[in-house]
Amino acid sequence: EAGVVQSPRYKIIEKKQPVAFWCNPISGHNTLYWYRQNLGQGPELLIRYENEEAVDDSQLPKDRFSAERLKGVDSTLKIQPAELGDSAVYLCASSPGWLAGQDHYNEQFFGPGTRLTVL
Amino acid sequence: KNEVEQSPQNLTAQEGEFITINCSYSVGISALHWLQQHPGGGIVSLFMLSSGKKKHGRLIATINIQEKHSSLHITASHPRDSAVYICAVLPPGTYKYIFGTGTRLKVLA
Repeated sequence: EAGVVQSPRYKIIEKKQPVAFWCNPISGHNTLYWYRQNLGQGPELLIRYENEEAVDDSQLPKDRFSAERLKGVDSTLKIQPAELGDSAVYLCASSPGWLAGQDHYNEQFFGPGTRLTVL
Repeated sequence: KNEVEQSPQNLTAQEGEFITINCSYSVGISALHWLQQHPGGGIVSLFMLSSGKKKHGRLIATINIQEKHSSLHITASHPRDSAVYICAVLPPGTYKYIFGTGTRLKVLA
C-alpha cells in the first residue's frame, strides 16, 4: 500500500515568489494534516482537514498561506509571497479519521516532506 | 520545561549495540507515538501505543502510563538506524500531538 505522497521533495525559490506543495494521502484516509517543521524543532500543525472541510486552520498564517482539498482527497498548500522565514520542511500527514480514544483511527502517517529554501 | 522530554538528546553507538531512548511527559495522554526522521526530512511511524509493549523487528517500545514514561529500544543496532527519533503524545480528546525535541542517533559501522 502506498504511503503519503508529497511533491516536490525540494524547492528553492527567491523571496516574494509563490510556491505550492502537493500531498496525496493514504487511500481511504479522511483526515489530512499539513505541518511546518523548522530546523531542530518538532512539527507545528498548520491545518487539518476532515474530507474537504478545513476543521482547524487556527495556526495557518492566512495573510500569505492558503490550502485546499477540493475533492477531499489530495491537497495543496500555497505560500504567496514567500518570505525568508518560511524556509522549513513542510510535512503532510493523514489518518483514517479522528475519534477520541481510538488509537488506530487517530494514528497519523507522515509523508516524506518538502524542504523549502527561500533565498 | 517541555511537556515532552527525551533523553539523551544525542547518542552515538557502535554497530550491534543495544540502544535505549527515553521519553517522559507531564500531561495526560490517550496515546504515545514513536517516529523516525531521516536527514531528508520524511517521518516514518514506528509505534503508536497506549499501554504495555509493542515489538516490530529489532524495535521494541514500552510505556508506563502511571509513571508517564516510554522507552524505545533498538537491538543489534545498524548504521541504517541513524536518524532522529521523536516521541509525540496525544492528550485525550485532541488530535494535536505534543512533540518531544528528538534524539539524534548515530550508529557507527
